[in-house]
Amino acid sequence: DAGITQSPRHKVTETGTPVTLRCHQTENHRYMYWYRQDPGHGLRLIHYSYGVKDTDKGEVSDGYSVSRSKTEDFLLTLESATSSQTSVYFCAISVGQGAKETQYFGPGTRLLVL
Amino acid sequence: AQSVTQLDSQVPVFEEAPVELRCNYSSSVSVYLFWYVQYPNQGLQLLLKYLSGSTLVKGINGFEAEFNKSQTSFHLRKPSVHISDTAEYFCAVSDETSYDKVIFGPGTSLSVIP
Repeated sequence: DAGITQSPRHKVTETGTPVTLRCHQTENHRYMYWYRQDPGHGLRLIHYSYGVKDTDKGEVSDGYSVSRSKTEDFLLTLESATSSQTSVYFCAISVGQGAKETQYFGPGTRLLVL
Repeated sequence: AQSVTQLDSQVPVFEEAPVELRCNYSSSVSVYLFWYVQYPNQGLQLLLKYLSGSTLVKGINGFEAEFNKSQTSFHLRKPSVHISDTAEYFCAVSDETSYDKVIFGPGTSLSVIP
């Protein structure tokens, strides 16, 4: 258990509505990540953060934005949800130094966009 | 650019039989390799990792993996599986130029048959 929580754990929303997912860590790790998991694709990186207010895009960032105003919280926002964003979203932190970094994952958020 | 291939999307195996889950990667620089396991409705849990040193890596739950640089492979093995090993297994790679980003394979679903 790397002290990562995600909220909400499940959410159903309608197309066009904004949605914010929260990732919270208790150990002040610098790097945090948001992934989405879809059948046949494994995990794909959406955005990541390397410090407070320092974020960068991942492989599938279109339609998503992130914010990190505190070390412990990393928020993922879908500005206007679409059905293609129905997925399971995982937050991760990176533990270790340099090449020894290893990612640890939260329990996930299941999002259904109708 | 890195990529990860898991050729077997589904692997059924009888209880107490051995299993091998295949993983191949492509990268032009030194790599770091990981296997994660995901039990139903849970997040990803690190099984084992290869950073350097011995090419045979032992992980949790009796799993091991061998790094083969010439074949660019990192296959996961267990000599005798249990029902509780039924899960999704993901191979992942990062490298010395981008160790803060991890690329995941599409996953292999292991089903242990009683």
